[in-house]
Amino acid sequence: GAGVSQTPSNKVTEKGKYVELRCDPISGHTALYWYRQSLGQGPEFLIYFQGTGAADDSGLPNDRFFAVRPEGSVSTLKIQRTERGDSAVYLCASSLAGGVFNEQFFGPGTRLTVL
Amino acid sequence: AQTVTQSQPEMSVQEAETVTLSCTYDTSESNYYLFWYKQPPSRQMILVIRQEAYKQQNATENRFSVNFQKAAKSFSLKISDSQLGDTAMYFCAFMGNAGNMLTFGGGTRLMVKP
Repeated sequence: GAGVSQTPSNKVTEKGKYVELRCDPISGHTALYWYRQSLGQGPEFLIYFQGTGAADDSGLPNDRFFAVRPEGSVSTLKIQRTERGDSAVYLCASSLAGGVFNEQFFGPGTRLTVL
Repeated sequence: AQTVTQSQPEMSVQEAETVTLSCTYDTSESNYYLFWYKQPPSRQMILVIRQEAYKQQNATENRFSVNFQKAAKSFSLKISDSQLGDTAMYFCAFMGNAGNMLTFGGGTRLMVKP
């Protein structure tokens, strides 16, 4: 079966530009998570969706970051006015449902480079 | 807030030998869950093993086992009979009882040498 997929795998953009990163979760998974992994560090939580709604967005660093999941499946992470400090690997994960008993399955990530 | 610390940035082990990766954490919660994830160069995080804090018995998955010391807030991973395919970054992670987010440590890069 297909796992979590993320597109693009790599994205290079210029400072100040807008970018969108896409995540396709495992079919039937209602919970979806975004994490950011800076070079040489562990992933950091950004946002968690249960269905279409953002159940926890406490990890979003500022209002330049926004994520949507309009139909409860595919999610898009949007970054406005990108800065060099936004360069990182953005990981998406999905699980059957939220909560500790449901394993989070991760995608391969999108490597974002802001020049 | 929870914190997870991995004090070993890099480790190496000879193939077929045993290696232990260290992890400590800090939390005020009484019940929580701990995980070890493997991240190979493909970047895809793979769950290796998990431990529920309320369980005294240490979790085991084939060649992987943990040493969970709740009072010391320590959660180490032991890899027995190391294989070349074990070469990867290893991350320790924490999840609170009511939460959905994982809090990760900084990782340990493990190299298995032939």
